[in-house]
Amino acid sequence: LAKTTQPISMDSYEGQEVNITCSHNNIATNDYITWYQQFPSQGPRFIIQGYKTKVTNEVASLFIPADRKSSTLSLPRVSLSDTAVYYCLVGDMGSGSARQLTFGSGTQLTVLP
Amino acid sequence: KAGVTQTPRYLIKTRGQQVTLSCSPISGHRSVSWYQQTPGQGLQFLFEYFSETQRNKGNFPGRFSGRQFSNSRSEMNVSTLELGDSALYLCASSLVPGAVNTEAFFGQGTRLTVV
Repeated sequence: LAKTTQPISMDSYEGQEVNITCSHNNIATNDYITWYQQFPSQGPRFIIQGYKTKVTNEVASLFIPADRKSSTLSLPRVSLSDTAVYYCLVGDMGSGSARQLTFGSGTQLTVLP
Repeated sequence: KAGVTQTPRYLIKTRGQQVTLSCSPISGHRSVSWYQQTPGQGLQFLFEYFSETQRNKGNFPGRFSGRQFSNSRSEMNVSTLELGDSALYLCASSLVPGAVNTEAFFGQGTRLTVV
């Protein structure tokens, strides 16, 4: 599985847009990029997943450049409730293969009032 | 629909004892994975089950074991507990194995404290 590197922590203010970048230099052709959010003492929660270019859902956008060696999670207009740890994961989409989720250290996002 | 249910939520055990944790996946999900989360090591994969078969295993000693039943419910067991086993144990369910390719839904975890 490709190793990922993220900033350890980030601070932001309410209402701002937050961009968290993840590096995955040895991403493989079949790998997808997935982001999870985790609050204290809770299990991680799926945010968004993508393969290339841009993906957007109701909570976030994911930007992936052409070389796919990095990706950026964008959270528009964050609120205090977005304070959490954000994990970037990279893995193969191959069906039937037993691939476990490998979580890096994640990014602690703190939203300030 | 109901989410992933883990029981118990909190547990205190003594060194040397054994413990069994339970996970009920989302209805229709046949893949269940287990993770250990500690402040020092982060989230680490323990094992994954699909259709009652262990599909993959992380780098944990043999004291950590698991199983899955025909209704997809899963249990993990830790024998001869050590202080370092104190952690949040998380279970995730998904439709298919290899949960990177689909959303994995996590339970709230079981907080195990070994004293």
